[in-house]
Amino acid sequence: ETGVTQTPRHLVMGMTNKKSLKCEQHLGHNAMYWYKQSAKKPLELMFVYNFKEQTENNSVPSRFSPECPNSSHLFLHLHTLQPEDSALYLCASRLGRGGDGANVLTFGAGSRLTVL
Amino acid sequence: DQQVKQNSPSLSVQEGRISILNCDYTNSMFDYFLWYKKYPAEGPTFLISISSIKDKNEDGRFTVFLNKSAKHLSLHIVPSQPGDSAVYFCAARAWENQFYFGTGTSLTVIP
Repeated sequence: ETGVTQTPRHLVMGMTNKKSLKCEQHLGHNAMYWYKQSAKKPLELMFVYNFKEQTENNSVPSRFSPECPNSSHLFLHLHTLQPEDSALYLCASRLGRGGDGANVLTFGAGSRLTVL
Repeated sequence: DQQVKQNSPSLSVQEGRISILNCDYTNSMFDYFLWYKKYPAEGPTFLISISSIKDKNEDGRFTVFLNKSAKHLSLHIVPSQPGDSAVYFCAARAWENQFYFGTGTSLTVIP
């Protein structure tokens, strides 16, 4: 158990569907991240929330919409996706302050998304 | 443009020998470096890190070396064990919130 839980673990959706990915952490961390992992590519930073405020949006298409209602929960809302959006979506959290522990991202197991 | 590069997609090592995984970076503003390990169907897990003010950090069988002039990072695992077989990602931090990752190196430790 990594302390960061992602649901669903697998998702198949059509291009016209609307779905959401959920991430939850109870580590007392203050920063939460969405990363995208595609085959043979580095993990791509998508969004960062720090104390519920979005601090980074790495030029992500608007068909991906993040939501962070509190420091423990992070969502990624998906709509009108394309087949090339199929990937592993990883959520991570970070303490955000104080010592070396603040610099370590703790990842969830990921949500494997397939867009048909 | 990829700021963190792992040029070896795979590495095979005999059990008991040393595994050396390499990582290069381009951004001189990176101030903290990390290695993560990933098993199939799991998220990356933190392994070891090093601050840019140091050149070596050791934790048990794992040692990370940083050569800032060469913008090069390496992870040494000795002795290598079959359970070390996984994908290893190098990561670097810029500013407070941005972490950049390499493409990973798949390590296979042969019993």
